Amino acid sequence: DIVMTQTPLSLSVTPGQPASISCKSSQSLLHSDGKTYLYWYLQKPGQPPQLLIYEVSNRFSGVPDRFSGSGSGTDFTLKISRVEAEDVGVYYCMQSIQLPQTFGGGTKVEIK
Amino acid sequence: QVQLVQSGSELKKPGASVKVSCKASGYTFTSYAMNWVRQAPGQGLEWMGWINTNTGNPTYAQGFTGRFVFSLDTSVSTAYLQISSLKAEDTAVYYCASHGGGDYWGQGTLVTVSS
Repeated sequence: DIVMTQTPLSLSVTPGQPASISCKSSQSLLHSDGKTYLYWYLQKPGQPPQLLIYEVSNRFSGVPDRFSGSGSGTDFTLKISRVEAEDVGVYYCMQSIQLPQTFGGGTKVEIK
Repeated sequence: QVQLVQSGSELKKPGASVKVSCKASGYTFTSYAMNWVRQAPGQGLEWMGWINTNTGNPTYAQGFTGRFVFSLDTSVSTAYLQISSLKAEDTAVYYCASHGGGDYWGQGTLVTVSS
């Protein structure tokens, strides 16, 4: 199975400040079709996960542009340019290049 | 709009069985696969597997074979997760999720296994 490793475990951020989360995969997520199957989810308290970013850097419908994704191969980053109160929750990266789909352990973001 | 609506919370005794439903609406049910994801209390997300809604063929992740069964009733656009011989460690929120044509998740079903 592909292991997804996220850092840090938690972040405490002042509103308006940036935040960055790293995700490393144990194998390359670059498929022969040219796509990289790395996704970012946010799970707000008491809710199911919601998709933020698909295929490394594409914002999902309705996701604010303060969220951005980057990276390639095995190293990926989610950045929030200016954290807002509504961004609190646990962020997960996920790969789907190979079954089983696997998630990172999560990064909990809270507001200072 | 697309919705996945799951059945309500369940409290079961060890050794019992439970069947969780996930009713889809707003799209053609057989167009997209249905995934199941487990989240134990305070823990992360774990993909359990998926079911092909066209053929009914299930695929299970390691660790979810034997006691876990995915099934469908396409006449009512509903997917099911059945867990038999329940153990305390099966206590979790179970989500159905469809990633075709968008990204849709059910609201989650809490299954609590306790004597």
